[in-house]
Amino acid sequence: DQQVKQNSPSLSVQEGRISILNCDYTNSMFDYFLWYKKYPAEGPTFLISISSIKDKNEDGRFTVFLNKSAKHLSLHIVPSQPGDSAVYFCAASIRVFGNEKLTFGTGTRLTIIP
Amino acid sequence: DVKVTQSSRYLVKRTGEKVFLECVQDMDHENMFWYRQDPGLGLRLIYFSYDVKMKEKGDIPEGYSVSREKKERFSLILESASTNQTSMYLCASSFAGEQSDTQYFGPGTRLTVL
Repeated sequence: DQQVKQNSPSLSVQEGRISILNCDYTNSMFDYFLWYKKYPAEGPTFLISISSIKDKNEDGRFTVFLNKSAKHLSLHIVPSQPGDSAVYFCAASIRVFGNEKLTFGTGTRLTIIP
Repeated sequence: DVKVTQSSRYLVKRTGEKVFLECVQDMDHENMFWYRQDPGLGLRLIYFSYDVKMKEKGDIPEGYSVSREKKERFSLILESASTNQTSMYLCASSFAGEQSDTQYFGPGTRLTVL
């Protein structure tokens, strides 16, 4: 039972344009969401997060949007750069219960075309 | 700078062998995690630990065990390796509490079971 889903396994975007990565979840108890980025032969690294009390969080070129009613979040990268080519995982947790596990999605491979 | 190290980058073992994967973190983190990453399945949690000598099953614990004798070290054990355990294994660590979602990952061990 995949509680966090990334329906697009891959995405190609022209350099300088906007990249939009999507993530859906089914468990309404999730109250904290994160995006991790993974380069080949490296472990994932934390990118940006959002609490369920917000609908947007911005950090430089990266913005995460949360739509709780639709159980959907998205990561926007503007402008996209070649170094953004990586696999992106969304993840969710249930902080209110002190649950410190993360549930990860299946990942989206982003390729930025120069 | 947080550092999570894993004992091997690549490992090849035979079916039935006992396999030890070691993970060490240098940030005095309370929490440690073992995941496996497979194409199309994302990161799946095998086991995690909140403290020394504490362990909790994750989503796919079958065929695995863990050991945490020291705070900085978390070992994953495959008692009798099987071909379906061929995968990328990722170790992660985090602080407890509110900061627990930000996990720091090691570079991974690619295990092949023949």
